[in-house]
Amino acid sequence: DAGVTQSPTHLIKTRGQHVTLRCSPISGHKSVSWYQQVLGQGPQFIFQYYEKEERGRGNFPDRFSARQFPNYSSELNVNALLLGDSALYLCASSLGQGTSEGYTFGSGTRLTVV
Amino acid sequence: GESVGLHLPTLSVQEGDNSIINCAYSNSASDYFIWYKQESGKGPQFIIDIRSNMDKRQGQRVTVLLNKTVKHLSLQIAATQPGDSAVYFCAEIRLTGGGNKLTFGTGTQLKVEL
Repeated sequence: DAGVTQSPTHLIKTRGQHVTLRCSPISGHKSVSWYQQVLGQGPQFIFQYYEKEERGRGNFPDRFSARQFPNYSSELNVNALLLGDSALYLCASSLGQGTSEGYTFGSGTRLTVV
Repeated sequence: GESVGLHLPTLSVQEGDNSIINCAYSNSASDYFIWYKQESGKGPQFIIDIRSNMDKRQGQRVTVLLNKTVKHLSLQIAATQPGDSAVYFCAEIRLTGGGNKLTFGTGTQLKVEL
């Protein structure tokens, strides 16, 4: 059984561009959460989606958006990229909205903005 | 505001010794506290959690202690092995039912010396 898969694994973008990151949750998991992890820091919560609806949003600007599809996969979109958006973007899936043990993280997408 | 922070950025231990990683938190409303292990190039991996109404929980080679009086959390790893080398994060979660987010600390780098 596959774990959480994220694509692409690495990405280089130029300031001002747009990026779309993708996540496929574990089969049967209905919730996907997105986290941003800047080098040397802990992951920061961006969004949680459950049953295709946004259930939580972190302290990120409107340039960040996401959606969840009927098959429970998810996309994270970032517009007007800034150098400070360079980070590892992690997706976590859970069966429901999540207890403490229920989150499984993918290996992330490493985004570099130049 | 809410925060979960770690005392030491780097911890070096000899193989076979016990490791203790500490964490301070400020959010008294947390429902669970969780320890994650993150190896290079991978997403965080769940190690063990503790409900906020408990003070100790043991797993395989790991023990988590929670001291609510001083808002302190620790992870003890027995007989540390080279494979334990990684960054360890403490995190907390409050289960609101309307979107649950993990709040991570900065992390401690554990280095196991042979």
